[in-house]
Amino acid sequence: AQTVTQSQPEMSVQEAETVTLSCTYDTSESNYYLFWYKQPPSRQMILVIRQEAYKQQNATENRFSVNFQKAAKSFSLKISDSQLGDTAMYFCALVRGTYKYIFGTGTRLKVLA
Amino acid sequence: ETGVTQSPTHLIKTRGQQVTLRCSSQSGHNTVSWYQQALGQGPQFIFQYYREEENGRGNFPPRFSGLQFPNYSSELNVNALELDDSALYLCASSSMDSTSTDTQYFGPGTRLTVL
Repeated sequence: AQTVTQSQPEMSVQEAETVTLSCTYDTSESNYYLFWYKQPPSRQMILVIRQEAYKQQNATENRFSVNFQKAAKSFSLKISDSQLGDTAMYFCALVRGTYKYIFGTGTRLKVLA
Repeated sequence: ETGVTQSPTHLIKTRGQQVTLRCSSQSGHNTVSWYQQALGQGPQFIFQYYREEENGRGNFPPRFSGLQFPNYSSELNVNALELDDSALYLCASSSMDSTSTDTQYFGPGTRLTVL
């Protein structure tokens, strides 16, 4: 069975600082995809970053980057230069093929002014 | 490019009733997935539709059913509503025929309250 674990229910960070959100997963597949989604109070899930398991290079999107450790089954999200608009729930998700996403329970991030 | 839209935004029903939620997929997408997100939890996969056929189902009872139309929009129907069905229902669209087949784009959700 595939599982995704986010062990930090809540985190806070000062504006302009850097924060890292943790995610571990379990799958027996060798080819899969990992995602981080952001869900602000408006409820809409917004794609933050995507990582293909076959790629060793860590994905980056502007201030967002991941540390993908395939052997350790770890997929953490680093947010640099945190902004107030980054305040949201962050979900890690695992998927193989075009099938269902397996989501973690989320980390509530609050950026403090 | 039009994003994923869902209707209605909010809905209140009583136990035992039936409900239909609607989703319009993003332009160019042919696959729609539905998720249930209980308060404080991550989304749980209900089912996925690809070109009008069910393409996979999560651990939800048969009273959760769906449809996908030729224009790739979709409906989620829930019969015999229970209190535990109260949740945010998310629709996500994707394209199985593109190079990024695994990226799903979500709508704003429908908040269902069952009294």
